Amino acid sequence: KQEVTQIPAALSVPEGENLVLNCSFTDSAIYNLQWFRQDPGKGLTSLLLIQSSQREQTSGRLNASLDKSSGRSTLYIAASQPGDSATYLCAVRGAGNKLTFGGGTRVLVKP
Amino acid sequence: DVKVTQSSRYLVKRTGEKVFLECVQDMDHENMFWYRQDPGLGLRLIYFSYDVKMKEKGDIPEGYSVSREKKERFSLILESASTNQTSMYLCASLEGTGSYNEQFFGPGTRLTVL
Repeated sequence: KQEVTQIPAALSVPEGENLVLNCSFTDSAIYNLQWFRQDPGKGLTSLLLIQSSQREQTSGRLNASLDKSSGRSTLYIAASQPGDSATYLCAVRGAGNKLTFGGGTRVLVKP
Repeated sequence: DVKVTQSSRYLVKRTGEKVFLECVQDMDHENMFWYRQDPGLGLRLIYFSYDVKMKEKGDIPEGYSVSREKKERFSLILESASTNQTSMYLCASLEGTGSYNEQFFGPGTRLTVL
C-alpha cells in the first residue's frame, strides 16, 4: 500500500528566504506526482505535475523535482513572500487513477 | 481552465437526515472523485467514478453512496447523516489516464452534522 510522507509538518521562514518542502513515497510504481496548495478552509489548487518519466517541472518561482527510484520529490519556492503562506500537499497517482496524499506541510512566511 | 464547482460551501444538517452533496465539472472529464479531509487524517478517498453510471469504492465508502447520471455531475449521498461525518468534502475530476493528466479540485463543502 502506497504511503506518502511530508516532513516537516510545519515551517516558518522570513520573507525572501527560499522554501524547501519534502515529500517521500514508498512505492515507486507511480504515474505522476502532483503538488497542491491549500489555503485555510478552501479547496486544493494544483501547482505542478511531474510525470513519472520526468525529473523536474518549473513554473515561475516554483520548481519541483522527482527521484522515482528513491521515492522522493522536493518542491522549491524561491524568494518566498507572505502570500506563499498556505499548506502544501503532495500526492502520487498510482494504479486505478487513485491519488495518495501526504499529510501536508503548513508554511508561514513572516514579513 | 477546468472548473469544478460544488453546490454548497457550508452545510449544517441533523443526525439521521439524508444529505446530498453535488459536484459539477465543465471539461467533459471522464473521472470524478469524492474525498473527505479531516485534521490529522489528511485526505481520504470515499468513492470515484470513471464513467457515467460507473462507480468504485475508495478507502472509506461506509455510510456513503454516489450517483453519476450525467458525465459532468457526481453526487455524494449520506443516507443517514451521523456526527462522525462532520468533515470537509472535496470533489475532483481527472480527464483521462495518461501520466500528464492532473486532478482538479472544487472549493470544498464544509459539512457539520449536529
